[in-house]
Parts: sequence; C-alpha cells; structure tokens
Amino acid sequence: GAVVSQHPSWVICKSGTSVKIECRSLDFQATTMFWYRQFPKQSLMLMATSNEGSKATYEQGVEKDKFLINHASLTLSTLTVTSAHPEDSSFYICSARIVGSPLHFGNGTRLTVT
Amino acid sequence: AQKVTQAQTEISVVEKEDVTLDCVYETRDTTYYLFWYKQPPSGELVFLIRRNSFDEQNEISGRYSWNFQKSTSSFNFTITASQVVDSAVYFCALSEASGGTSYGKLTFGQGTILTVHP
Repeated sequence: GAVVSQHPSWVICKSGTSVKIECRSLDFQATTMFWYRQFPKQSLMLMATSNEGSKATYEQGVEKDKFLINHASLTLSTLTVTSAHPEDSSFYICSARIVGSPLHFGNGTRLTVT
Repeated sequence: AQKVTQAQTEISVVEKEDVTLDCVYETRDTTYYLFWYKQPPSGELVFLIRRNSFDEQNEISGRYSWNFQKSTSSFNFTITASQVVDSAVYFCALSEASGGTSYGKLTFGQGTILTVHP
C-alpha cells in the first residue's frame, strides 16, 4: 500500500530558528500533498495544500511567509517553519493524495520550540 | 462549508464492552467521502475506513463496524468486544469526492478519546 514518510519524527529548536519538515511518498507519485497541524488535545486543522511545481494554497489564517511549503518533486514536499516561536510548538502531519484511493498520512512531526 | 461533529469528547469502557462513537457531518457537496482514523498515543493516524456517499451499506471489519445513515448525516463507528489496545483518539473526517479538486482536504471532527480499562 501507499506509504508516506515524514521526517523528523520530533524536533526541538530554539526560538527564532527555522525548522524544515519533509514529507515523502515512498512508492507512488503525489502531485498533491496536504499539511495539517494539531495542537495538544485538539483536532487536526488543514494548513495548506502543496502542489508539485506550483505555489502552495494556504488556508485562511495561516501565514504563508512563516510556513514555507516547497513541492519541487513528485515525491517530496517540505514545510519550513521560519523564525519559530513557542506558540508554533505543535504536531505537524502531512498526507498525500492519490485520486480514488484512501488518504495516507505520514507519522507526524512533533515540534517543540524553546 | 463542511463540518464534522463528534459530540462525545471522552468515552470510558471496560474491556469486552461494545462501544459506539458518533459522527455527524454537514456538507453541501452531493458526493463526498467519509473517513475514520485512529490516533494512538504515538501520534500517527491509522486509516480505518473510507466510505463514498453513494454507498450506504454498512460495513464490518472484524470487531469494527460502521453505520452510515445519509438521511441523518451520520457515520457512526462501533467497536465490538473492546480491548485495551483500542484505547486511542478516534477521528471522523469528511472530504469532497475523489474526482473533485478538493479531494484529500479533510475536515476533521474534534475527536473522541476512547479509554478501555482492563
């Protein structure tokens, strides 16, 4: 079955630094990937839609300059949290779309900003 | 706008009890998909089921069963003879149908924390 790999699983960074999270489709090509954020004890909220070869589409209220998304190949999308602050501490998880198939998620990245 | 409501925030049962997790949704789309995911403490999302809005047949998979009632916009999930390993957060989610450009953009419910005690 389709496998989505996300890296790193967890990361701790200092306030003001940037963190890059990778989302890879391992055995299929994904022209579209999605990035979600989940705060502790809350639901998952869609942040943005990542499209291969074009600009990402951000949901309302998500700062595109803070959460940079790059989808340069059919198997890799990256989310960079720039100038991270403690309030950005969250669980970030990606999914990849294969039209007509169930949606598979990466294992998520737990970000802690100190 | 799409909306998914899981009214049960937390459920606690004793092992071997049956438990039903409720899910009610709202959408203007005529075709759509409904999903259930399990999120164990480790955080990953485990896919359980995807149901097309045209298919109202109930489904059973081992101890799991799903009841889709389009007339009441509900997609409830039942675990029969619950086990401690079923303890997790369960999310119901909704997406536009597969042919649409928004397929894959999931609207999640708030989640139900299920605790199964030995």
